[in-house]
Amino acid sequence: EIVMTQSPATLSVSPGERATLSCRASQSVSGNLAWYQQRPGQAPRLLIYGPSTRATGIPARFSGSGSGTEFTLTISSLQSEDFAVYYCQQYHDWPLTFGGGTKVEIK
Amino acid sequence: EVQLLESGGDLVQPGGSLRLSCAASGFTFSNHAMYWVRQVPGKGPEWVSVISGSGDNTYYADSVKGRFTISRDKSKNTLYLQMNNLRVEDTAVYYCAKDATLGIGYYFDYWGQGTRVTVSS
Repeated sequence: EIVMTQSPATLSVSPGERATLSCRASQSVSGNLAWYQQRPGQAPRLLIYGPSTRATGIPARFSGSGSGTEFTLTISSLQSEDFAVYYCQQYHDWPLTFGGGTKVEIK
Repeated sequence: EVQLLESGGDLVQPGGSLRLSCAASGFTFSNHAMYWVRQVPGKGPEWVSVISGSGDNTYYADSVKGRFTISRDKSKNTLYLQMNNLRVEDTAVYYCAKDATLGIGYYFDYWGQGTRVTVSS
């Protein structure tokens, strides 16, 4: 099973600042990685896949990069609605696996 | 508009059974693989099972293999998860989710609102 490790667990950022979230795979997943945002009480929402293609309706301030085992989600200028938990997911191999999440909180 | 509406979650004793349903609308149901993904509050999601668009192929996480059965009814646009021999560790919010592609084993572009399953004596 491919283990996905996200860091940091919590990121404190001021509105308008940049946030950089990391996701590491225990083995190469090539570019088969997606990112999701989850707000309290809601289901996850697809942000990025492939690993740099934004899903439909996702603002340009969200960007993804990386390949192999190291991936990054960047939020260029945090808005109030961006404070949430973010998960990465690999779809390179079965079982599909998610990371433990990074919580982006207001500083 | 794509909608996924789960139902069937409940409190059940260890060893019991439960059947979850997910009513889908707003897309061609038979074109897309469908998934069950569960999440313990405060933890990352965990993939549980998937069924291909045709229903011919199914896969399960090792943790539920032999106990859970995924199925779909194309006439009702509904996805199911039959859960037998439930364990305390199956306690979670269960989401149905749609594959974003026309394949199987990718990422999820729509999720339901979730249904809560609690296994406790």
